[in-house]
Amino acid sequence: SAVISQKPSRDICQRGTSLTIQCQVDSQVTMMFWYRQQPGQSLTLIATANQGSEATYESGFVIDKFPISRPNLTFSTLTVSNMSPEDSSIYLCSVDGPNRDTQYFGPGTRLTVL
Amino acid sequence: AQTVTQSQPEMSVQEAETVTLSCTYDTSENNYYLFWYKQPPSRQMILVIRQEAYKQQNATENRFSVNFQKAAKSFSLKISDSQLGDTAMYFCAFMKLNYTGANSKLTFGKGITLSVRP
Repeated sequence: SAVISQKPSRDICQRGTSLTIQCQVDSQVTMMFWYRQQPGQSLTLIATANQGSEATYESGFVIDKFPISRPNLTFSTLTVSNMSPEDSSIYLCSVDGPNRDTQYFGPGTRLTVL
Repeated sequence: AQTVTQSQPEMSVQEAETVTLSCTYDTSENNYYLFWYKQPPSRQMILVIRQEAYKQQNATENRFSVNFQKAAKSFSLKISDSQLGDTAMYFCAFMKLNYTGANSKLTFGKGITLSVRP
């Protein structure tokens, strides 16, 4: 399976600011995904990032709030913009397996907004 | 749309014993994948086991096995010889089989907290 890293691993931010989370994979992958896990909850897909095209957002998530970049086949970023305490969550990136029949996850970024 | 239901919020098991975690799902798809992921306190999501819906044989991975009942849309995880390191949150997840190259989105259940007692 791919080795996936995320930066930062955790952060505490002030209301109204923005944070960019990076996801790096050790091999080229077609699809990268960004999930949010609110405290005590399950994972919810924010968007899917395919290299060279605009990210596809799920219902309830918009590009202005969660802009995503996918500049190459091993890297993606998610920005959480104009943060509020409700954005406090774990943000996880994942990637498709080589046969597109499995997803592997990064270690997650724990975000706290004060 | 697919839904995944994990109705047990938490379970506890004695070390070395066997425990079964339940999961049901609803879909109109005929071909799909089912997964169990483990999330320990470190929050890393770890793939435990995967089942292809077109395979009748239940998947096994060492101490982990599933009971896949396609007609009943049931997908339970059995952990044998439970170890302290199995303490974690376990999520059941569904993914549609993707022929067209479109994204292979995972739909998760709410998860179950498993505690292994020494």
